[in-house]
Amino acid sequence: QSALTQPASVSGSPGQSITISCTGTSSDVGGYNYVSWYQQHPGKAPKLMIYDVSNRPSGVSNRFSGSKSGNTASLTISGLQAEDEADYYCSSYTSSSSWVFGGGTKLTVL
Amino acid sequence: QVQLQESGPGLVKPSQTLSLTCTVSGGSISSGSYYWSWIRQPAGKGLEWIGRIYTSGSTNYNPSLKSRVTISVDTSKNQFSLKLSSVTAADTAVYYCAREVSTMVRGHLFDYWGQGTLVTVSS
Repeated sequence: QSALTQPASVSGSPGQSITISCTGTSSDVGGYNYVSWYQQHPGKAPKLMIYDVSNRPSGVSNRFSGSKSGNTASLTISGLQAEDEADYYCSSYTSSSSWVFGGGTKLTVL
Repeated sequence: QVQLQESGPGLVKPSQTLSLTCTVSGGSISSGSYYWSWIRQPAGKGLEWIGRIYTSGSTNYNPSLKSRVTISVDTSKNQFSLKLSSVTAADTAVYYCAREVSTMVRGHLFDYWGQGTLVTVSS
């Protein structure tokens, strides 16, 4: 299975909004509403930020939101803060009863 | 509070079998509708899902690794394990264990992760 496609990097200034895209196929992103997003700081384990396309776990800021259209899912972070600087990974369930991750996007807060 | 901890050799020789164990604390591995997964991350690269095991013992594997992977569970020790055979340098990575929730009510996600353990394949 091929990794989902994410931009290698995005950047934004504090207070701004950014969007990270995650493109797959009809066998993963397009076929299931089981897309999740993870935040990873250097040397740390990933942390769940969004699940099932647009749901936020308890404790995650409402500045984080998710959506999906066709084979592409998106993560939007509004009101950027310095602490949001991290790597972000999308993940989708697949028709092979497996999970596939995106290649990751490095978010830089300018 | 559920906690997961990986353990195993940090160095494995090429062509040998990588073996890791994940110990779950703060809850029983056999209770609830959970899958238990292994995920890896080569240095500076993205995450790769390796496979999972359900509490019943049923497994699913990444198609690209399926021929080399075995995941098992030992409910008496509250542990699950990974074996990856015929390793090469390309299998050098930080290996994470994680709990997967997959229900219509609670969603489909990895909610708890271990801290990760680095496994280097080298002679």
